[in-house]
Amino acid sequence: EAEVAQSPRYKITEKSQAVAFWCDPISGHATLYWYRQILGQGPELLVQFQDESVVDDSQLPKDRFSAERLKGVDSTLKIQPAELGDSAMYLCASQGSLTGNTEAFFGQGTRLTVV
Amino acid sequence: GNSVTQMEGPVTLSEEAFLTINCTYTATGYPSLFWYVQYPGEGLQLLLKATKADDKGSNKGFEATYRKETTSFHLEKGSVQVSDSAVYFCARLTGGGNKLTFGTGTQLKVEL
Repeated sequence: EAEVAQSPRYKITEKSQAVAFWCDPISGHATLYWYRQILGQGPELLVQFQDESVVDDSQLPKDRFSAERLKGVDSTLKIQPAELGDSAMYLCASQGSLTGNTEAFFGQGTRLTVV
Repeated sequence: GNSVTQMEGPVTLSEEAFLTINCTYTATGYPSLFWYVQYPGEGLQLLLKATKADDKGSNKGFEATYRKETTSFHLEKGSVQVSDSAVYFCARLTGGGNKLTFGTGTQLKVEL
């Protein structure tokens, strides 16, 4: 069964260091999302891609966060420098089409701990 | 604004008990509504959805009815199992880009 792949599953980093997460969406899915889920809260959208273009990054802290999807397939989310408050689960999701209310499929997430 | 409010947890039930998790939304218009489930250590899985008023979504014994008059989408199950223990998120579509807005989640613990 096709699934969204994320790596690493867990990451511990020291504050002020750089960290990167990778996501490979379901093959053929044009829309890709990065969400951040702080412990005890619901996920919040950080950035949305349609193919290689950013559709919505209004909630992305652009002074330290960056995201790219250069070939419109897999995507990387980077944090530099990491802060203690960035500790959270980072979820990637992909969707086949923006029309017809198709389902968004989520990966297992990367749990980041900043120490 | 466009938000989702769901009951706080944890909710602890005995196996075979009846489950209700409340969810209400604020919105203009009639957004599509969803329930997602997150098992320990895993990502989110779509449990059910409803795309218009009076629709009933159902899956794995869970049901939720889109009620526009009360702006609610409460999750129900007639007889829960230990394997239903997870965190349940109510969500709605927001904006033209199909962004999901989630509630804070309700943890369900089912005991023997």
